[in-house]
Amino acid sequence: EPEVTQTPSHQVTQMGQEVILRCVPISNHLYFYWYRQILGQKVEFLVSFYNNEISEKSEIFDDQFSVERPDGSNFTLKIRSTKLEDSAMYFCASKERGDYNSPLHFGNGTRLTVT
Amino acid sequence: DQQVKQNSPSLSVQEGRISILNCDYTNSMFDYFLWYKKYPAEGPTFLISISSIKDKNEDGRFTVFLNKSAKHLSLHIVPSQPGDSAVYFCAASGGGADGLTFGKGTHLIIQP
Repeated sequence: EPEVTQTPSHQVTQMGQEVILRCVPISNHLYFYWYRQILGQKVEFLVSFYNNEISEKSEIFDDQFSVERPDGSNFTLKIRSTKLEDSAMYFCASKERGDYNSPLHFGNGTRLTVT
Repeated sequence: DQQVKQNSPSLSVQEGRISILNCDYTNSMFDYFLWYKKYPAEGPTFLISISSIKDKNEDGRFTVFLNKSAKHLSLHIVPSQPGDSAVYFCAASGGGADGLTFGKGTHLIIQP
């Protein structure tokens, strides 16, 4: 079964550094998402992306965050200057269609630790 | 601001019995509800969903019930199996918003 793949599985970085989290969505999917889960808290929506532009973003997704689809397969999340509170599991997700009946498929996540 | 609430952090059920996981929501704009299952070190996996025009959806051992007037949904798993032990997340969408709003999850433990 096709799956969403994320790399790396764990990233450790120092406060103030830039990080790029990488994702390869399922190949025939057109809608892409980033979610995060701070330890012990709920999964939170960050951003959705369709047709090479952001469709929607949450309050969490401030100017420090950006997303890009640099080629036909990768979808990246960049955090420009990491803060301690950015430490979380970051999940990439994709779905085939834009309607609600098309379920989200999640990757296994990247654990980001900011020290 | 918990728009989706799962009030039971954990639930223990004997193998073979029915597991019932509950979820409440506050946003009346939500019109589509989903349940995801998550194992440690993995991402959430879609289980089952229901549209607000229905009150029940069934898929094998999994049934989701929706009570719109009470803003409540539940996931029934019967019979429960050891492999069902995982964290279950309730999620909702609607009102034109693209992102899902998740609950905090319920850790289901199936005891032999």
